[in-house]
Amino acid sequence: QVQLVQSGAEVKKPGASVKVSCKVSGYTLTELSMHWVRQAPGKGLEWMGGFDPEDGETIYAQKFQGRVTMTEDTSTDTAYMELSSLRSEDTAVYYCATDPDTAMGLGYWGQGTLVTVSS
Amino acid sequence: QSALTQPASVSGSPGQSITISCTGTSSDVGSYNLVSWYQQHPGKAPKLMIYEVSKRPSGVSNRFSGSKSGNTASLTISGLQAEDEADYYCCSYAGSSTFNVVFGGGTKLTVL
Repeated sequence: QVQLVQSGAEVKKPGASVKVSCKVSGYTLTELSMHWVRQAPGKGLEWMGGFDPEDGETIYAQKFQGRVTMTEDTSTDTAYMELSSLRSEDTAVYYCATDPDTAMGLGYWGQGTLVTVSS
Repeated sequence: QSALTQPASVSGSPGQSITISCTGTSSDVGSYNLVSWYQQHPGKAPKLMIYEVSKRPSGVSNRFSGSKSGNTASLTISGLQAEDEADYYCCSYAGSSTFNVVFGGGTKLTVL
């Protein structure tokens, strides 16, 4: 059973960066393909990027390329998502999600991290 | 990559069946059997209900079923129950030249 525990809520000013963590238990990070999904208040789900097991690389959605970096610390089984040049439209709940048993079904989600961008 | 198209809302009475459609293109839904569906209650993380078009994760009720025809996927919920009231999102792999994933805009299900 995979468990994902994310870091706490953040408040950032426009132009700043935020780094959200996602601690994995039950599996090691090397056994998982981690994805990040965000949800603006009252809006739908938006895929930001994730690990492509075919190529062994992390792929970012075109919308976020150049602003997002997803990294992993396999020594602590913690995944990170850093988003830079924040603007008010980046105010959202950010989720990490994965599933070791399905092809592109995300059966395990973190609890979500609210990032608020406000001056 | 445009979001997949879902109806904004659907409704049904307890015991009835409803179907939520999810329309994509030949670059996503039409090309891959990698459509998934998520249920989300207010303030909660999404829950996987269907993956690979029609497979149910362990623990998901068999009242939930998925299918696909051409560029359109569908989620059917039979025997509607009050607790089914939630937002539902479809999702598809959309890789061609590069790995990509796209979600639908979401459908609010109201149980009358």
